[in-house]
Amino acid sequence: GENVEQHPSTLSVQEGDSAVIKCTYSDSASNYFPWYKQELGKRPQLIIDIRSNVGEKKDQRIAVTLNKTAKHFSLHITETQPEDSAVYFCAASLAGTYKYIFGTGTRLKVLA
Amino acid sequence: DSGVTQTPKHLITATGQRVTLRCSPRSGDLSVYWYQQSLDQGLQFLIQYYNGEERAKGNILERFSAQQFPDLHSELNLSSLELGDSALYFCASSGLAGKNEQFFGPGTRLTVL
Repeated sequence: GENVEQHPSTLSVQEGDSAVIKCTYSDSASNYFPWYKQELGKRPQLIIDIRSNVGEKKDQRIAVTLNKTAKHFSLHITETQPEDSAVYFCAASLAGTYKYIFGTGTRLKVLA
Repeated sequence: DSGVTQTPKHLITATGQRVTLRCSPRSGDLSVYWYQQSLDQGLQFLIQYYNGEERAKGNILERFSAQQFPDLHSELNLSSLELGDSALYFCASSGLAGKNEQFFGPGTRLTVL
């Protein structure tokens, strides 16, 4: 069935280093891939997204890459800061339904 | 603030009881989605409504039901509550076809004792 795998489940980096989170989706019909950041006890917030007709998208320190052939996409955060510490979720959206299938989340800790 | 509102913020109840969670989408959004997030877990998709009609269903238990009203607000009804139903319940909304972005509400924290 529909599935999104996300790795790693936890990630610790030193402040200023880069962080990479990877997701793999199963349904080749998926055409929209958002990333959400969730701080403890708060709502998930959209931080960046990419559509299937684009290979890469960047917004300041955050970038997302998509490999449709391999059915995987990645979140890259450069120059990490303590406020980047949160849980990050990837998702894949099924074309025609707009239903999201979320990955299991990555807890990112940025060590000062 | 995403523009999506949810009430109540917190709900404490006992096993076997029934509760109703309410969600108001962003102005103009036609789709409403419900998610369950158990402690330190991911976001489990429950159900989606679009302009009053059920559009997609996830792993929603038979004890749970939802509806979207003509003014587009939505309610999630949870009955015969069990301890394992304790979780954060999020509502999200999105706009017209072609706009995939979902905006999440602040959530309702349900505690079943």
